[in-house]
Amino acid sequence: GAGVSQSPRYKVAKRGQDVALRCDPISGHVSLFWYQQALGQGPEFLTYFQNEAQLDKSGLPSDRFFAERPEGSVSTLKIQRTQQEDSAVYLCASSRGTGGGGGYTFGSGTRLTVV
Amino acid sequence: AQSVTQLGSHVSVSEGALVLLRCNYSSSVPPYLFWYVQYPNQGLQLLLKYTSAATLVKGINGFEAEFKKSETSFHLTKPSAHMSDAAEYFCAVRPASGNTPLVFGKGTRLSVIA
Repeated sequence: GAGVSQSPRYKVAKRGQDVALRCDPISGHVSLFWYQQALGQGPEFLTYFQNEAQLDKSGLPSDRFFAERPEGSVSTLKIQRTQQEDSAVYLCASSRGTGGGGGYTFGSGTRLTVV
Repeated sequence: AQSVTQLGSHVSVSEGALVLLRCNYSSSVPPYLFWYVQYPNQGLQLLLKYTSAATLVKGINGFEAEFKKSETSFHLTKPSAHMSDAAEYFCAVRPASGNTPLVFGKGTRLSVIA
């Protein structure tokens, strides 16, 4: 596609519910990133994929967070047993290569509200 | 570890006035530096980037930034603010080599007053 697509745009979950957030990167982009953006804050890194390999998951806040990209394109971020502190906008970004010079193309994000 | 500090969480300027958004970086290796803009309920859009070529970088919408190694700064400027520039602006850094992901600052909200 022309851009990075994320779904759903909004998700309300009851505390304890599991959620799955989807990211469709730009076709052919090798690198895919997930960020978490709390209200009024900058994006915080969660995890990074190069093709299907998850090369860095150091930003995942707990073992309730899990991400996958099984075929090197679409990625899913799953949060188990959601807590109120998980409420945030989850941003997905992709880039063509793996080097440092390229900027990322971001999706519009999924706003997760845990009630 | 790398980081950026954005001075001022909120900047307010009059329409037509100079825009100056400050960013200082901390990096033990040569950095790449970026400015992104975020409009309400949207993702981040790349404004400009410094990747060790020219130190004065021009971006979209009339914005530019200058990399100053001696001051460890990468401030964003625009000569004349437009109402449409009102948004959240984020400075970000990553090493010039390797796959380390972007690290973002906390952001500066720009308001433009008519």
